[in-house]
Amino acid sequence: AQSVTQLDSQVPVFEEAPVELRCNYSSSVSVYLFWYVQYPNQGLQLLLKYLSGSTLVKGINGFEAEFNKSQTSFHLRKPSVHISDTAEYFCAVSESESNYKLTFGKGTLLTVNP
Amino acid sequence: DAEITQSPRHKITETGRQVTLACHQTWNHNNMFWYRQDLGHGLRLIHYSYGVQDTNKGEVSDGYSVSRSNTEDLPLTLESAASSQTSVYFCASSDQRQGENIQYFGAGTRLSVL
Repeated sequence: AQSVTQLDSQVPVFEEAPVELRCNYSSSVSVYLFWYVQYPNQGLQLLLKYLSGSTLVKGINGFEAEFNKSQTSFHLRKPSVHISDTAEYFCAVSESESNYKLTFGKGTLLTVNP
Repeated sequence: DAEITQSPRHKITETGRQVTLACHQTWNHNNMFWYRQDLGHGLRLIHYSYGVQDTNKGEVSDGYSVSRSNTEDLPLTLESAASSQTSVYFCASSDQRQGENIQYFGAGTRLSVL
C-alpha cells in the first residue's frame, strides 16, 4: 500500500527567504506525485504534478519540485517566498493509470512572516 | 465555467440525526471522492465512485454512505451523526479519460455535531 510522509508539520520562514517542504512516499509501483495548496477556508488546488519525464517540475506561483526515485522523495521548493504563500501544503501520491485514488500526507503549514 | 460545488458550506446538527452533504460537479467527470479533513490527520478518504451506480469504501467509511445515480452528483449521508464526525468535508472529482489522476476540489462543508 502506498503512503506519504511529510516530515515537517509546520515551517515558519521570513518573507523573501527560500523554503523547502519535504515529502517522502512509499509504493511498490511507479507513481504519480502531486503537491496541493490550501489557503485558509478554501478547498485544495493543484500546485504541480509529476507524471513522467523530467524529474524537475514547475508549478504555479514560482514553486517547483524534484522527483527523486532512489530516495522516494518529492520535495517542494521556492527560492523566495511571499506573505501570500502562507497556506497548508499537501503532498499526494497516486499509483499510475487505473488506480484513481490519491493518498495524502498530513500536510505542512507554511507561515511566512514579515 | 465548469466547477464543483458543495452545500451547505456550514452545518450544525445534533447527535443521532441523519445528515446529507451535497456535491455537484459540471465537468462530466467519472470519478468522485469524499474526504474528511481533521487536524493532524490530513485528508482521509471516506467513499469514492468511478461512475454511475459504482460506489466504494475508503479508509474511514464507517457511519457514512454514498449513492451515485447520475454523473454530476455524489451525496454523502451520515446515517446517525456522532460527535466524532465533526470535521471539514471535501468533495473532489477527476477525469478518467485524461489518465493524470488530477483531482479538483470543492470549497468544503464544515460540519459540527453537537
